[in-house]
Amino acid sequence: GENVEQHPSTLSVQEGDSAVIKCTYSDSASNYFPWYKQELGKGPQLIIDIRSNVGEKKDQRIAVTLNKTAKHFSLHITETQPEDSAVYFCAASIKAAGNKLTFGGGTRVLVKP
Amino acid sequence: KAGVTQTPRYLIKTRGQQVTLSCSPISGHRSVSWYQQTPGQGLQFLFEYFSETQRNKGNFPGRFSGRQFSNSRSEMNVSTLELGDSALYLCASSFGGSGVTDTQYFGPGTRLTVL
Repeated sequence: GENVEQHPSTLSVQEGDSAVIKCTYSDSASNYFPWYKQELGKGPQLIIDIRSNVGEKKDQRIAVTLNKTAKHFSLHITETQPEDSAVYFCAASIKAAGNKLTFGGGTRVLVKP
Repeated sequence: KAGVTQTPRYLIKTRGQQVTLSCSPISGHRSVSWYQQTPGQGLQFLFEYFSETQRNKGNFPGRFSGRQFSNSRSEMNVSTLELGDSALYLCASSFGGSGVTDTQYFGPGTRLTVL
């Protein structure tokens, strides 16, 4: 089945710097790649997603890039703020598997003021 | 628009008991997926329901089951609880039926502790 690996597992950045989280997936049939942010005591919150027919997507300070050939996708957060501190999860899905998401292991991001 | 709601938020059970968790999706959403989150295994897919039918299933034992009602609300049941079932159980809601993977919105989860 699909396998998603996420790196790094922890990331500490200074406020105002950029943060980058990378994920690789195993199944070339994967075609949907969401990113979720999870704060303590809460459920995952969708922050951005991308489909396989798009190479890059941006929403204010957040961007995601997808390299289908290399089977990896990345989350970029610019001008980080303390409220960006949370655990971030990438996920992948195959159309044939419906709404089943396979998640990466998560990245704990700490933004130091 | 109200988000995904899950009840109860916290549960404490003992080994061998059974438990039922409930999820109410976003209004208009017809697909409900369930995930288990643990520190060791991360987020794992349990199953998905769409129009009262199980559409997909993860690799969990038969002790884990679910159902969906005509109003799209869903319940999941875990029978003969084991210590390893202690986890955060998350419900995700989406429109469903589009033929592609939908954008899924998660609820706050139910924290289950098995003693």
